[in-house]
Amino acid sequence: QVQLQESGPGLVKPSETLSLTCAVFGYSISSGYYCVWFRQPPGTGLEWIGSIRHLEKTYYNPSLKSRVTISVDASKNQFSLNLSSVTAADTAVYYCARQPATGTWYFDLWGRGTLVSVSS
Amino acid sequence: QSALTQPRSVSGSPGQSVTISCTGTSSDVGGYRYVSWYQQHPGKAPKLMIYDVTKRPSGVPDRFSASKSGNTASLTISGLQAEDEADYYCCSYAGRYTFVVFGGGTKLTVL
Repeated sequence: QVQLQESGPGLVKPSETLSLTCAVFGYSISSGYYCVWFRQPPGTGLEWIGSIRHLEKTYYNPSLKSRVTISVDASKNQFSLNLSSVTAADTAVYYCARQPATGTWYFDLWGRGTLVSVSS
Repeated sequence: QSALTQPRSVSGSPGQSVTISCTGTSSDVGGYRYVSWYQQHPGKAPKLMIYDVTKRPSGVPDRFSASKSGNTASLTISGLQAEDEADYYCCSYAGRYTFVVFGGGTKLTVL
């Protein structure tokens, strides 16, 4: 079954680094897809964080670029998000997703999301 | 403040049609054919409903259709059903610096 599954701490302290992992099931992360992260603060809309394709370029939201790293571990068929120096404004549901590497920009498969709260 | 402008809410009765607009600029919606729409039920992940302005993924009912004119994209849902009640988000590619922008979302209520 093709699916994505996020995992990671649900609570992060201010100024620390938020780290999440997305496990990919049902297809190879090295195939024709980008790995993508989004977030959605409580009660608000969606925000794209960044996209990466294994062994290729990474694209980041310019408003988060200085704090974000997305990486791929093809041996484990998973990818990760690191967001440094977090504040309460980074509290959100974080989603991983898939983007076909066909030269277009849409996201056809999403994980269920994981809530990360930033609080001391 | 979202980059793309959507109405906060729309409503319709079962069987009726509703249209949700998504207004951007020539740097996003108007400049590329990479507009997509997502349906999100409360507490659930977004689901792709439309991509590349007008294309419907396999499994999405043909009651969902979309178009674009200038800087405004539109999603039309015909034959409204109770399960269509959800939040809908538009999304557009916005060039090689910003990349991806979203609308603020529209809450569809089926009366």
